[in-house]
Amino acid sequence: DTAVSQTPKYLVTQMGNDKSIKCEQNLGHDTMYWYKQDSKKFLKIMFSYNNKELIINETVPNRFSPKSPDKAHLNLHINSLELGDSAVYFCASSLTRQGGQPQHFGDGTRLSIL
Amino acid sequence: AQSVTQPDIHITVSEGASLELRCNYSYGATPYLFWYVQSPGQGLQLLLKYFSGDTLVQGIKGFEAEFKRSQSSFNLRKPSVHWSDAAEYFCAVGSYNTDKLIFGTGTRLQVFP
Repeated sequence: DTAVSQTPKYLVTQMGNDKSIKCEQNLGHDTMYWYKQDSKKFLKIMFSYNNKELIINETVPNRFSPKSPDKAHLNLHINSLELGDSAVYFCASSLTRQGGQPQHFGDGTRLSIL
Repeated sequence: AQSVTQPDIHITVSEGASLELRCNYSYGATPYLFWYVQSPGQGLQLLLKYFSGDTLVQGIKGFEAEFKRSQSSFNLRKPSVHWSDAAEYFCAVGSYNTDKLIFGTGTRLQVFP
């Protein structure tokens, strides 16, 4: 059973389009995250949610809007896609927000903007 | 400023050789330190973590890491590398009062037979 699953795995689209990435975790964790990994493999947190409540928002453009319908799901919607949005987006979850909790990652969604 | 530095972008070793991947951090509070591994096309997997106590920590897949406060380092080691260890390795720092992790830029490990 996949613990943290993301769909789609690959997403190729044109500039200006709107797209969504879905994430689900079956670990019973309270906290979920979105990370962006750029072409140089640099990994940076974008958002975190705890029990459907937004906790961390790392000055991400407001074209990015996370939504958490329940604590097992955290989706990422991106409006007006730009070339610079090309990256791999990772969803992750942890048991709680407590510092030091291991984070469990999905396999990533590779977003390519044409 | 809080940061993690992994000085080696790319390391190549022969199978069976020993390995050490370097990690230095700059963090205002008492750090919690982590090593994650990313295999191609996959997400990150936790190898080991250090919070307090014994400064030598053991992880999965035969890896260990040593915390040296005086050097602000948390280097990852393995006595004998296997071809399946070829991957990207990330060091990360956090703290007791936050779940936000700051990652290094990663070290790509290549293993030759």
